[in-house]
Amino acid sequence: SYELTQPPSVSVSLGQMARITCSGEALPKKYAYWYQQKPGQFPVLVIYKDRERPSGIPERFSGSSSGTIVTLTISGVQAEDEADYYCLSADSSGTYRVFGGGTKLTVL
Amino acid sequence: EVQLVESGGGLAQPGGSLRLSCAASGFTVSSKFMSWVRQAPGKGLEWVSVIYSDGSTYYADSVKGRFTISRDNSKNTLYLQMNSLRAEDTAVYYCARENTATTPYFDYWGQGTLVTVSS
Repeated sequence: SYELTQPPSVSVSLGQMARITCSGEALPKKYAYWYQQKPGQFPVLVIYKDRERPSGIPERFSGSSSGTIVTLTISGVQAEDEADYYCLSADSSGTYRVFGGGTKLTVL
Repeated sequence: EVQLVESGGGLAQPGGSLRLSCAASGFTVSSKFMSWVRQAPGKGLEWVSVIYSDGSTYYADSVKGRFTISRDNSKNTLYLQMNSLRAEDTAVYYCARENTATTPYFDYWGQGTLVTVSS
């Protein structure tokens, strides 16, 4: 079955840049989406179609794509950005939705 | 305003059954792709199942043959019938509306309902 791979954890100092990667074989053909989830809450979309930012999401959140790897970048990390981040995409057929394993972002 | 409200969670015994419901408002369930996503305690998100607007259904390998997704158009409600439950099915179950303009993603989520499978 198809998998998306994320690092389990990323740590960054307040105000610095955080990068979270997600790799998958079908990513050159399928868009990736990024969700932020804080404890006890449902996930919130922060990036769609690899690099687009929904309205209401701060400009410090950005996305990029290169081959089989997509990257979520948070510039000037704030304390409130501490959360779990998940990438989402689909297999090559587009039938099976797949989440990455999630990355816990810790702000030091 | 789009709203999704899940219900039906609770305690079930291994081998038992539960049916989850997701009442939708602000849009028509039958016109959208709708999914169930779950999250075991302290674990990541896992897609479970989807029902397309044409009624086609698909399942994650972990639940295939045990879970059934369906909808009631007259009630604008999505369901997940869960049979032969296992301890590893313990999770918060979210219903989610899909945006399928390109690669599908979830644009609205419910608050989730907790399912606990234990004897």
